[in-house]
Amino acid sequence: QVQLQESGPGLVKPSQTLSLTCSVSGGSISSGTYSWNWIRQPAGKGLEWIGRIYTSGSTNYNPSLKSRVTISVDTSKNQLSLKLTSVAAADTAVYYCARDVRGSGTYYGFWYFDLWGRGTLVTVSS
Amino acid sequence: DIQMTQSPSSLSASVGDRVTITCRASQSISRYLNWFQLKPGKAPKLLIYAASSLQSGVPSRFSGSGSGTDFTLTISSLQPEDSATYYCQQSNSSPLTFGGGTKVEIK
Repeated sequence: QVQLQESGPGLVKPSQTLSLTCSVSGGSISSGTYSWNWIRQPAGKGLEWIGRIYTSGSTNYNPSLKSRVTISVDTSKNQLSLKLTSVAAADTAVYYCARDVRGSGTYYGFWYFDLWGRGTLVTVSS
Repeated sequence: DIQMTQSPSSLSASVGDRVTITCRASQSISRYLNWFQLKPGKAPKLLIYAASSLQSGVPSRFSGSGSGTDFTLTISSLQPEDSATYYCQQSNSSPLTFGGGTKVEIK
């Protein structure tokens, strides 16, 4: 059974770079028709999609964060990573990684997040 | 960006009640609509994909309907373990966007 687990520093100083990893266990991050995503949730607020990387290697970012975000995969470690530069207090949030899968049969073409990690809280503060 | 508007933002209902949550998209998204359940400290859970398809392992009291711009998530008989926040999400176009959430409490 595939599981995802986020990890990284819980505290980042303003203007620095936030770096998180998502370890994938029970399956290969490089196989299948998936995209691997980062999503965040500031305290008391809703969910915000940050971006994704497909198993093909192509990436797609939220325009609101695009200039500061890099998502990559390390296939040797079976890990997904997120780098967010020039962070500010507004970047304080629980960060989730999630697998996006393309449906099959009748649902071919429909994509949905079928697997998520539990999330990791990142606080931006000096 | 496609804006997703959920209502209500919160509700309180009794065990056994029928609960309906509404999600409206700012433009047509066909059936590219998913529903998730979030509980503190737990991994979010997919309930419904493609507007009405029940994810494997999800209790049948959950159902989804709608197409175009208007969608609903229904819990036919609310259970104590359904206390959570529910989000809709559109997968029609990038950037992917979520509704603001509906917090469901048990009376």
